[in-house]
Amino acid sequence: EVQLVESGGGLVKPGGSLRLSCAASGFTFTYYSMSWVRQAPGKGLEWVSSMSSGSYIEYASSVKGRFTISRDNAKNSLYLQMNGLRAEDTAVYYCARESLDSSGHYYVNYWGQGTLVTVSS
Amino acid sequence: ENVLTQSPDTLSLSPGERATLSCRASQSASSYLAWYQQKPGQAPRLLIYDSSSRATGIPDRFSGSGSGTDFTLTISRLEPEDFAVYYCQQYGTPPYTFGQGTKLEIK
Repeated sequence: EVQLVESGGGLVKPGGSLRLSCAASGFTFTYYSMSWVRQAPGKGLEWVSSMSSGSYIEYASSVKGRFTISRDNAKNSLYLQMNGLRAEDTAVYYCARESLDSSGHYYVNYWGQGTLVTVSS
Repeated sequence: ENVLTQSPDTLSLSPGERATLSCRASQSASSYLAWYQQKPGQAPRLLIYDSSSRATGIPDRFSGSGSGTDFTLTISRLEPEDFAVYYCQQYGTPPYTFGQGTKLEIK
């Protein structure tokens, strides 16, 4: 069974930093592209960043230059280093596993339960 | 950025009825379109990918169609557990945008 467990959320002041972790199990982590998706309180979903199995990385423009995605395949873990946090970064952050469709594009098919990040003074 | 607009924002129906949810893209998404269901306090769940392929374990009352800029999620006969928020997402071109969601509520 695929399991994704996020940790590292919490309350941080504007301008501060936080590192989120995602522990993956139930599948061969090395083979899969992974993503972070966030959801502000009462709002919709927003893609944040993705990292392929080959370490190709993409970011949303709203976080580029402030957030860094990384992975440790030996530890079956995905990370999101968040610097220069702003109030608008307040959200539940979901770790997600991707799979390839028939055309070779990645879609999210498994989600963790999320970790809440609150940016407030 | 490819903006996805879902309609309606809220859909009020009764169990047993048919639900039709729409997702329109500002640019072609080809068939790289997924649908997710989210219930309060829960993570989203994948229903449909590749515009019309059902994810593992999803009942066949859920179906997806469309390509290019116009997509539809149809729930043929609503069950009580289907009342939730539904999101579409295009995963063809970054940023991988979501629609704003359609809330399916019990009438």
